[in-house]
Amino acid sequence: EAGVTQFPSHSVIEKGQTVTLRCDPISGHDNLYWYRRVMGKEIKFLLHFVKESKQDESGMPNNRFLAERTGGTYSTLKVQPAELEDSGVYFCASSQAPGLAGGLQTQYFGPGTRLLVL
Amino acid sequence: GENVEQHPSTLSVQEGDSAVIKCTYSDSASNYFPWYKQELGKRPQLIIDIRSNVGEKKDQRIAVTLNKTAKHFSLHITETQPEDSAVYFCAASIWTGNQFYFGTGTSLTVIP
Repeated sequence: EAGVTQFPSHSVIEKGQTVTLRCDPISGHDNLYWYRRVMGKEIKFLLHFVKESKQDESGMPNNRFLAERTGGTYSTLKVQPAELEDSGVYFCASSQAPGLAGGLQTQYFGPGTRLLVL
Repeated sequence: GENVEQHPSTLSVQEGDSAVIKCTYSDSASNYFPWYKQELGKRPQLIIDIRSNVGEKKDQRIAVTLNKTAKHFSLHITETQPEDSAVYFCAASIWTGNQFYFGTGTSLTVIP
């Protein structure tokens, strides 16, 4: 089974430019999460999709960040315009829908996109 | 919201010794605690998890303990090997919730 994939693996852009990150979850996983890790700090939640719907976007830093998941498959995270403090590693994770008994499913992580804003 | 603290930030041990990483959490509603291992240049991978209805779980050389009263949980690695060198993240979540709240990570180095 293929794991979560992310593209690109690295991105270096200048302040004010736009960057779009892509995540392809494991096939059949309804839940898709975006996280970010700024160097030396915790992996911090950004938002959660259930299929194509935003379930929770409480972690999105500001309106320069826009996430979409058209058709409930892959997701994109766009940063426009990028600022210096947006630098970090952006992780995507996916999990199956809860079973009949409910409950959280294991989250499988992608390799991350390393974003550097100069 | 939930706050997870993780210590130490770096840890060096001799091969064959044990390593212990500790985490505390603030929200008593949290009841699921996974541990992820991230090797250099690779993705975080789940190595063990524990739910709040048990106090300890073991998988070969790895064990996790949970003290709900004190709101802390720990990862124990015995007989460490060089391939255990990685960054380890603890996390907390509510069983029926969505996001994981992560600690800041522990960089473990096992010296051959």
